[in-house]
Amino acid sequence: QKEVEQNSGPLSVPEGAIASLNCTYSDRGSQSFFWYRQYSGKSPELIMSIYSNGDKEDGRFTAQLNKASQYVSLLIRDSQPSDSATYLCAVNNLVGYKLSFGAGTTVTVRA
Amino acid sequence: GAVVSQHPSRVICKSGTSVKIECRSLDFQATTMFWYRQFPKQSLMLMATSNEGSKATYEQGVEKDKFLINHASLTLSTLTVTSAHPEDSSFYICSAGPGGGGETQYFGPGTRLLVL
Repeated sequence: QKEVEQNSGPLSVPEGAIASLNCTYSDRGSQSFFWYRQYSGKSPELIMSIYSNGDKEDGRFTAQLNKASQYVSLLIRDSQPSDSATYLCAVNNLVGYKLSFGAGTTVTVRA
Repeated sequence: GAVVSQHPSRVICKSGTSVKIECRSLDFQATTMFWYRQFPKQSLMLMATSNEGSKATYEQGVEKDKFLINHASLTLSTLTVTSAHPEDSSFYICSAGPGGGGETQYFGPGTRLLVL
């Protein structure tokens, strides 16, 4: 079992729709959870971090964490073509401070 | 967020030469930095954890004698690819975090290495 798994995608959504990205993790000791966006040919860019159960909203992005279910998700509301990228879920259990990454979900927003 | 820079952004070299890549934290100190490699269409692969003032910790399967890491100060880590070969051509990315290495990690812009 992989440490961090994401829905495989690719995910194609029309402009203005909600894109929903899912991530599950195996280590119950995980403490910190992150979503990164990576445009083609570029390095990852942090878009959200979440540490407590529940929802966290930042602009059009909402991260949801459920530690009991070992599940973290990202919603992108009012999707724009500029949101087209690969989204990486990352989990940190603070042992050695290493991040474990999912394989990423590629999102394409159709104009 | 915190800023991490890398230099060079792109390098082309001949097979057998060594290439040094620098990773700098510009507005914070980082006792720990991380080096990743990413091949086209593939996921990030953690290569090693760079620890200021001590030896780097390498992930399984990564040759420590080929990928030399030096973390001589709290704002600079270097990765040297020794005797580079075409199969080492990849996108090398570093990350660091202001929380002493833990918590949020910010990525540098990456270095694209092409070995001819």
